Amino acid sequence: AQSVTQPDIHITVSEGASLELRCNYSYGATPYLFWYVQSPGQGLQLLLKYFSGDTLVQGIKGFEAEFKRSQSSFNLRKPSVHWSDAAEYFCAVVAPMKTSYDKVIFGPGTSLSVIP
Amino acid sequence: NAGVTQTPKFRVLKTGQSMTLLCAQDMNHEYMYWYRQDPGMGLRLIHYSVGEGTTAKGEVPDGYNVSRLKKQNFLLGLESAAPSQTSVYFCASSYGDLAFFGQGTRLTVV
Repeated sequence: AQSVTQPDIHITVSEGASLELRCNYSYGATPYLFWYVQSPGQGLQLLLKYFSGDTLVQGIKGFEAEFKRSQSSFNLRKPSVHWSDAAEYFCAVVAPMKTSYDKVIFGPGTSLSVIP
Repeated sequence: NAGVTQTPKFRVLKTGQSMTLLCAQDMNHEYMYWYRQDPGMGLRLIHYSVGEGTTAKGEVPDGYNVSRLKKQNFLLGLESAAPSQTSVYFCASSYGDLAFFGQGTRLTVV
């Protein structure tokens, strides 16, 4: 069955420290991959996406993610975390060419806390 | 630049009561969705619509009904609320691979 896992339910980092949020997927083929961020009281906002090509993708707010086919992973990284990055982060996948969101599978989310 | 607007933002219901959540988008999107978000479970699709007058079931449709009488509006109804429906509800609309989410409605059923 297709699934998305985010092994870390909650992560706490100090402001200025580096960050890596893990995402692993189980899919029949290489899916399209997304990372979304949900700030407190807000809806989800797209950080970045990977469809094909360069496996290191840059997103908004200084985030990047690397697709590793051999590990079925799409981990999100940021070199230096800011207090405003405290939020819930969701990884999502969808079959290639089928990007209507009724087919998108969201991971359970990772909650990020930032210590001043 | 309203985007996707959900009404209301908060609501407390008693078991057995009914209510309707309204989602409005001003981007002329064909696709609209209702999700519920529960801790540790991510977003789960309740119902969706691929255009005016059409609706379809998602992953967790039981206990909910929807209507899309106008392209810009997608209504989610709870006919007889249950405590298991306590959740945060998100509406979204999409165009291609881009989705736009509302700010959510926090619903508590007591």
